[in-house]
Amino acid sequence: DTAVSQTPKYLVTQMGNDKSIKCEQNLGHDTMYWYKQDSKKFLKIMFSYNNKELIINETVPNRFSPKSPDKAHLNLHINSLELGDSAVYFCASSRNRDGYTFGSGTRLTVV
Amino acid sequence: AQKITQTQPGMFVQEKEAVTLDCTYDTSDPSYGLFWYKQPSSGEMIFLIYQGSYDQQNATEGRYSLNFQKARKSANLVISASQLGDSAMYFCAMRERRGRKAAGNKLTFGGGTRVLVKP
Repeated sequence: DTAVSQTPKYLVTQMGNDKSIKCEQNLGHDTMYWYKQDSKKFLKIMFSYNNKELIINETVPNRFSPKSPDKAHLNLHINSLELGDSAVYFCASSRNRDGYTFGSGTRLTVV
Repeated sequence: AQKITQTQPGMFVQEKEAVTLDCTYDTSDPSYGLFWYKQPSSGEMIFLIYQGSYDQQNATEGRYSLNFQKARKSANLVISASQLGDSAMYFCAMRERRGRKAAGNKLTFGGGTRVLVKP
């Protein structure tokens, strides 16, 4: 049983396209996150949701829009993809003071 | 300003030896948590160990231990008896408790240390 699953694992797309990455957790956690890992391996928070409510929205272009239909799902939609969006995107979840569980990542390549 | 600093971008360690990975942090929050994650070449983020700011004892998990020096704001990871499978990137991260709402306490990561275990 995968605790935090995100799809797809790899995504190659052309500049200007719109794409989505899906994330689901079966841990019963009430907070979910999106992190971006750049080519230098640096990890940075993008968004967090708690029970479908947006809590954190870091300085991210508004081409990125998270959507949480319920507390077990947090999807990331990206409009008008740019070369600089190429990165690994990680979904994660947590419950209050518990540890954070990460998905396996989605490697996005914009060509 | 960097909140989490890992000063060692990369290091080699001989198999079966111990290795210490440095991590210093900066926060004015009295309640915080410190985490270490391992990222092997396959890419997943694997949780290793956690230390709470109020924990009296240093955390240990199997071959992993955390050398927590609160006054120095350091939380170094010690891996004992290194194995070839320990070769990976290691990330230190901090969660600060902001306000009364525990949710939204993001993890802030350091830049990572790449460890290569030599046979």
